[in-house]
Amino acid sequence: AQKVTQAQTEISVVEKEDVTLDCVYETRDTTYYLFWYKQPPSGELVFLIRRNSFDEQNEISGRYSWNFQKSTSSFNFTITASQVVDSAVYFCALIVSGGYNKLIFGAGTRLAVHP
Amino acid sequence: DAGVIQSPRHEVTEMGQEVTLRCKPISGHNSLFWYRQTMMRGLELLIYFNNNVPIDDSGMPEDRFSAKMPNASFSTLKIQPSEPRDSAVYFCASTLGSVETQYFGPGTRLLVL
Repeated sequence: AQKVTQAQTEISVVEKEDVTLDCVYETRDTTYYLFWYKQPPSGELVFLIRRNSFDEQNEISGRYSWNFQKSTSSFNFTITASQVVDSAVYFCALIVSGGYNKLIFGAGTRLAVHP
Repeated sequence: DAGVIQSPRHEVTEMGQEVTLRCKPISGHNSLFWYRQTMMRGLELLIYFNNNVPIDDSGMPEDRFSAKMPNASFSTLKIQPSEPRDSAVYFCASTLGSVETQYFGPGTRLLVL
């Protein structure tokens, strides 16, 4: 069975702090895809990144970076120099190749960035 | 490019009434999903269509829920009769391909009194 665990329910930081959101996944499949989505207070779900299981290179996009480690089944998300606009719920998700494309979501981490 | 479009954005209704939620996927996408989000259960997949055909509806809570996709550019999710426990945010998402990114609509916030 597939599962995504986001152990951090809520994180509170002060603006300009770096913050890392943890994501641990479980799957027996060798081909899979990992995602991060952002849900700001307005409620929409915004796609941030997609990663396949064969690409363990870290990715950086502006202040956002992602660390994918198959050895620990983790796909962590770091925001550098956080800003108030980063306040949102962040979801990690998993799709396993070979089945139909059922997106398995974690419970989400609520990030509050205070000025 | 237009994203996934959902209507209405907000719906308030009374218990027992029929509710119809609408979704227009991104043009060219061949897969469409309906999700429900609640505080208690998080994001749940209700039903998945591929090429307008329902592939898996195992997430549909009960017979009061039904979904259709009459063509590639339109889908509906209907609740009849509605109950207070159906209150949630309902998202529609679309994608092209089996493991590609799902793009979500803005959601419909449903409140059943």
